[in-house]
Amino acid sequence: EAGVAQSPRYKIIEKRQSVAFWCNPISGHATLYWYQQILGQGPKLLIQFQNNGVVDDSQLPKDRFSAERLKGVDSTLKIQPAKLEDSAVYLCASSLDYNNHNEQFFGPGTRLTVL
Amino acid sequence: AQSVTQPDIHITVSEGASLELRCNYSYGATPYLFWYVQSPGQGLQLLLKYFSGDTLVQGIKGFEAEFKRSQSSFNLRKPSVHWSDAAEYFCAVGFTGGGNKLTFGTGTQLKVEL
Repeated sequence: EAGVAQSPRYKIIEKRQSVAFWCNPISGHATLYWYQQILGQGPKLLIQFQNNGVVDDSQLPKDRFSAERLKGVDSTLKIQPAKLEDSAVYLCASSLDYNNHNEQFFGPGTRLTVL
Repeated sequence: AQSVTQPDIHITVSEGASLELRCNYSYGATPYLFWYVQSPGQGLQLLLKYFSGDTLVQGIKGFEAEFKRSQSSFNLRKPSVHWSDAAEYFCAVGFTGGGNKLTFGTGTQLKVEL
């Protein structure tokens, strides 16, 4: 079974530039999550999708971050414009559903460096 | 709001020695708890989970964890550490009705000395 795929694996940009990350969840997984993991911290949930709808985006900085999952499968997370403090690893995860106790499967992440 | 504390940022153990990584959570209702491991450049891999029932849970790679409600703890243990266990370990908590959202601790970096 293929795991969660993410691309690119690494990205270096200048501040004020824009960047986009792509995630393809495990086939059949209805729920998709984007996390931000800053160095030395645990992952923090940015946004959660159920199929193509947003379940929770309360911690997404909506002035600069946006995410979509138009067809309920793969997803894109965008940052525009980027700030220095956005340097982090962006993890995508998926689960069968968003009922309690569903295991979340994580992708390898995209490491973003903002200079 | 729920929170997770992993008090040890770094731990160093000798290969073959026993290991215990601490995790404390703060939440009023019954939580469900996870331990994940993250190797460099990799995503998080689930080691074990607790939802209900037996408070001692077994996971992959010889790890186990014990849920102690009275202490609000879910410590991870392994009787004999292997060099390949060197990685970062994260404790995470969710709660019933929370829509499967998890709150993660800050992680414990494990170093194994040969």
